[in-house]
Parts: sequence; C-alpha cells; structure tokens
Amino acid sequence: KNQVEQSPQSLIILEGKNCTLQCNYTVSPFSNLRWYKQDTGRGPVSLTIMTFSENTKSNGRYTATLDADTKQSSLHITASQLSDSASYICVVSPSYGNNRLAFGKGNQVVVIP
Amino acid sequence: DTGVSQDPRHKITKRGQNVTFRCDPISEHNRLYWYRQTLGQGPEFLTYFQNEAQLEKSRLLSDRFSAERPKGSFSTLEIQRTEQGDSAMYLCASSGTGKNGYTFGSGTRLTVV
Repeated sequence: KNQVEQSPQSLIILEGKNCTLQCNYTVSPFSNLRWYKQDTGRGPVSLTIMTFSENTKSNGRYTATLDADTKQSSLHITASQLSDSASYICVVSPSYGNNRLAFGKGNQVVVIP
Repeated sequence: DTGVSQDPRHKITKRGQNVTFRCDPISEHNRLYWYRQTLGQGPEFLTYFQNEAQLEKSRLLSDRFSAERPKGSFSTLEIQRTEQGDSAMYLCASSGTGKNGYTFGSGTRLTVV
C-alpha cells in the first residue's frame, strides 16, 4: 500500500474557480510535507514545504494545510488559471532520512476556459 | 543557472542500445538522487549519492542500470541493452544538508522503440 494517497486522481475545473486537492499519508514520524507542481514533460517544482508543526503555508494562489494528527494535507488553488493545469504531487519526508521520500501519484488538474 | 540541469531532455533509442544521461546538481548540494517516473505515477526512487559515494540503490535498479558520481559533482545514469519497459521520465534531484532544499531537474524523457 502506498504511503501517500492523493485524491481525486484527476479533475477538470473552469478557469477562475477554486479547487482543493487531498493528500493522506501514513509516514510516521515525518519531517516535512511538500507539494510540488509538475507540468507535462517537466520536472516537479516545489510549491510549499511544511514541517509537522505547521498548519498552513501559502504561495500566491496556492495554500497548503496540514493536520499532523489525522495525517492529512490539502492544497487549495484559488481563482484557477489555465497555467494551473498540471499534476500536483504530495511528498512526505520521513524523519529518519532525506533519501526515502514518499511520493503520491499526483492529482491531475485540467483548467478549461 | 543555479538549478538542477539534465541532459538530454529527450532521447529516442532502439531496443538493445545503451543510453547515458547526465545530471548537474546545484553546486552546493552534496546529495544527488535519481528517480524514474512513468505516466500517471509519482517518481520512483532509483539511487542516491552523498558526495561521490552511492549510498543506496533501489531494487528497481537492475544490473542493466549503473549510476556514477565520480567527483561528487555531476552524475551519469547509464542503461545498457535498453528495453521498451525502460521508457519513462528519468528525474534527477539534489539537496543540501538541510531537509528543506530538494530540487528536481526537468528530467530526461526516454523512449525505447
């Protein structure tokens, strides 16, 4: 079973609308949780990084939340733009090392005009 | 350019041929990672270097795969006798001693025909 589960697998939203992506994880103890944006054919680009003691982190129109008790995180996209069409990957770093990050499969977002 | 560079961006090769990819990490990062990513999946860990030492290899890294980081700077990933199942995006990432900095390159897209 994957240590990081993301939902929904994919979604289509209208330009200008908001959306929320979910990430549930089982990695414990963990050091930090990251959200990456990956455009098609490109490498992942970091959006937010949260330690276990942080509840929220914003980066422009992207806001990530973290509930370490329930082991859940969300990424909220406000006022979506066509350029937000991408895969959003949740990544959890265990406390015991930086070389065994646990990756989700990603949320595929398509923004349509 | 202070990011992680990968070369080439795309590679098409015939089955059975050998291919080699290069990764230039962020200069002050001592850790370097290789991942493989197939469509609709998150990156899968292949191997990890700290300076020039290869500290961990995934079971995904069959004997046809070899990675080097001879001087603790750039790294190469070689695939011998390529198979169609090797078709994927090969991602390189680097990080420093802190747990926050983890930067991916744009990847090398390999297609084996």
